[in-house]
Amino acid sequence: SQQGEEDPQALSIQEGENATMNCSYKTSINNLQWYRQNSGRGLVHLILIRSNEREKHSGRLRVTLDTSKKSSSLLITASRAADTASYFCATEPTDSWGKLQFGAGTQVVVTP
Amino acid sequence: DAGVIQSPRHEVTEMGQEVTLRCKPISGHNSLFWYRQTMMRGLELLIYFNNNVPIDDSGMPEDRFSAKMPNASFSTLKIQPSEPRDSAVYFCASRLGTGLSNTIYFGEGSWLTVV
Repeated sequence: SQQGEEDPQALSIQEGENATMNCSYKTSINNLQWYRQNSGRGLVHLILIRSNEREKHSGRLRVTLDTSKKSSSLLITASRAADTASYFCATEPTDSWGKLQFGAGTQVVVTP
Repeated sequence: DAGVIQSPRHEVTEMGQEVTLRCKPISGHNSLFWYRQTMMRGLELLIYFNNNVPIDDSGMPEDRFSAKMPNASFSTLKIQPSEPRDSAVYFCASRLGTGLSNTIYFGEGSWLTVV
């Protein structure tokens, strides 16, 4: 089974609204990373949060990590049509360096 | 800076044929990963190299799959013979160092269809 599980599977919002998606995982991790994938394209790295960090910001992105609950959230503020993509969380377990484990992703559609 | 470069971007081949996917990691990166993405199984790690040495190939599905990294700037993933169930997107990724905060960068993928 996949390590990271995103929730919801799909999200449809209007431009200007915030989009929040969650990721849960099962084992101890070194870090958790969020990636974006546009249709037919590769994965673009968005943000990495280490296991000893609780929150991180990058532009309109805000990521939180709660290691006690083994969960993370990605918030995109003031969404734009260009944010339409699939978003994946990936965890790097402490006992498996380099073996990023991906969730199934959240498909986000932002309508103008 | 050039990112991870993969070729071919798209390939359609007949069952039984040999398929070779190529990857050039980001210059200076010493770890290289091959992932496969399908609708059914999502993203799966097939194999990864550190300093050109295969470290973990437990994700390679069958003996039909093989990967090499003859030098720091080139890797291949070969499928011989190919089967329709191998149809997927194959991503190569690279990373600098072994630090816990080091990002893994992905290429644009090789979209393989086996008919």
